[in-house]
Amino acid sequence: EVVLTQSPGTLSLSPGERATLSCRASRSFGSSHLAWYQQRPGQAPRLLIYATSSRAAGIPDRFSGSGTGTDFTLTISRLEPEDLAVYYCQQYGSSPLTFGGGTKVEIK
Amino acid sequence: EVQLVQSGAEMKKPGESLKISCKGYGYSFTSYWIGWVRQMAGKGLEWMGTIYPGDSDTRYSPSFQGQVTISADRSINTAYLQWSSLKASDTAMYYCARRDTTSEHFQVWGQGTLVSVSS
Repeated sequence: EVVLTQSPGTLSLSPGERATLSCRASRSFGSSHLAWYQQRPGQAPRLLIYATSSRAAGIPDRFSGSGTGTDFTLTISRLEPEDLAVYYCQQYGSSPLTFGGGTKVEIK
Repeated sequence: EVQLVQSGAEMKKPGESLKISCKGYGYSFTSYWIGWVRQMAGKGLEWMGTIYPGDSDTRYSPSFQGQVTISADRSINTAYLQWSSLKASDTAMYYCARRDTTSEHFQVWGQGTLVSVSS
């Protein structure tokens, strides 16, 4: 199976700063088949990005995704307090579907 | 509005059986795959399996094959996840989620069902 490794484990930034989250795959899986989810405390996950760089409906444009091959990035251009959450990447190009271990974003 | 509404929290003993549900609203239930995802306390997300309610075609993660059964009743727009004999290690939050029509990312998520298994 494709193992996704997310880094850093925790990111602590101030409002207005830029957050860069990494997701690295153990092997290539079809680079357009990568999604990102946000899970706020006590809530279900929410789709942010699919097909590596397409924003889901209703997601602000300060969230963007990029990457190819085995290296992918989620960027939050200007952090807001409500971005406090754990962010997960998911690949769906190879079965079984797999998720990364998550990056926790803390707001200073 | 498209929604997935899951059944309530469960407290069970080891060895007991359980079936939890996920009801779809606001869309054609038979036209979208529904997946189940486990999240153990303080841990990440794990895909368990996915079902197409239109014809009950079901795919399982190798990690969960034989451990759970996924089913659906399209007459009542509901998908199910069931265990025949629970273990303490099944204690977790379980989410259902609706897949996109053409790819396997999950567009819409249920609110989650907490399953606690303890003697």
